[in-house]
Amino acid sequence: DAGVTQSPTHLIKTRGQQVTLRCSPISGHKSVSWYQQVLGQGPQFIFQYYEKEERGRGNFPDRFSARQFPNYSSELNVNALLLGDSALYLCASSLESRTGPKSVYGYTFGSGTRLTVV
Amino acid sequence: GENVEQHPSTLSVQEGDSAVIKCTYSDSASNYFPWYKQELGKRPQLIIDIRSNVGEKKDQRIAVTLNKTAKHFSLHITETQPEDSAVYFCAASGGYSSASKIIFGSGTRLSIRP
Repeated sequence: DAGVTQSPTHLIKTRGQQVTLRCSPISGHKSVSWYQQVLGQGPQFIFQYYEKEERGRGNFPDRFSARQFPNYSSELNVNALLLGDSALYLCASSLESRTGPKSVYGYTFGSGTRLTVV
Repeated sequence: GENVEQHPSTLSVQEGDSAVIKCTYSDSASNYFPWYKQELGKRPQLIIDIRSNVGEKKDQRIAVTLNKTAKHFSLHITETQPEDSAVYFCAASGGYSSASKIIFGSGTRLSIRP
């Protein structure tokens, strides 16, 4: 069984550019969440999607957007990149019920996309 | 909103000794508390979790305790080994403001001295 897969693994972009990051959840998982992890800090919640609907949004500017597709994969888009957007972007999938995590294993993270903005 | 505080930020223990990491959370409605281990350059890996209807959970050398009244929870690692060296994150979820997202602590860098 494949785990959570993210692409690309590394990315270098210039300030002002746009970037799209992709995530495929574990088979059977309907919930995908996105986190930003700046070096030396804990992951910060960006978005959660469950069955293609946004269930939660963290404290990030409108330059950040996401969507989930019918096959439960997801994309995170960031427009007008800033140097401060340089981080590891993590995708997590879970067996999410409408009221909370179902699986005893909770959230499973992908390996992340390391974005460097220069 | 939900906040999770974690202490200490760094911890160095002799191999074979125990390590304890403590966290507090602000949202009394939080009901799920996972702990993640992150090695350099790798993804966070779930090592143990506890739900609010349980006070303690143990898995081999790792144990987690939860005090709902005081809103704090702790990770205990016994008989530490060199491979336990990593950054550990506590987290909370399920609260009124956190719904099904995970709020992470700031992390503890654990070093095991040989």
